Amino acid sequence: SSELTQDPAVSVALGQTVRITCQGDSLRNYYANWYQQKPGQAPVLVIYGKNNRPSGVPDRFSGSSSGDTASLTITGAQAEDDADYYCNSRDSSRNFVSVIFGGGTKLTVL
Amino acid sequence: QVQLQQWGAGLLKPSETLSLTCAVYGGSLSGYFWSWIRQPPGKGPEWIAEINQTGGVNYNPSLKSRVAMSLDMSNNQFSLNLRSLTAADTAVYYCARARPPKIPYWYFDLWGRGTLVTVSS
Repeated sequence: SSELTQDPAVSVALGQTVRITCQGDSLRNYYANWYQQKPGQAPVLVIYGKNNRPSGVPDRFSGSSSGDTASLTITGAQAEDDADYYCNSRDSSRNFVSVIFGGGTKLTVL
Repeated sequence: QVQLQQWGAGLLKPSETLSLTCAVYGGSLSGYFWSWIRQPPGKGPEWIAEINQTGGVNYNPSLKSRVAMSLDMSNNQFSLNLRSLTAADTAVYYCARARPPKIPYWYFDLWGRGTLVTVSS
């Protein structure tokens, strides 16, 4: 299918580690990318490719992938990490090109 | 520092046409893919369309019949038209930049601030 599936909500205690997952067939061809979005703001890229962080993104954010599943890990979650996280990838598995997003995971830092 | 500045009408009536423009400041349209993405209130992003520097366009199949995207190299901007609006088209619309796809890498590295478009009679 051309969907990316994410758990709707995840919570983590302050300072602990949390993993957010994303599953879809398109991830067999393209790496997942991860975006953080806070209320009223545009999404911000936090992880792209195999495990790359744009300049300015803290190193507590990391990514991994295996088969059709990608993961975003936050090691030592901070209060400012409380946000929505979306995965996305390009999909060229059919006879047309598409770009797809997961439904998002609401991360609550307790 | 490259920035995307977008504008367009924020309140439209059903059946009207949405027109949005995104200008690239501090950089060039060349060498990148440019997309429009929308996000309905309380929901995740939905990709609408992309265009590259040669004018090649890809559209979301679910919107293809109503969408047109164009490039204006002389003014360093690109535009979106979405026809036959309904309330379901109410969303924040973003423009975004991506580098050309190089399997398995592709990602949006720059976003505009978004434009809230409300469709209501």
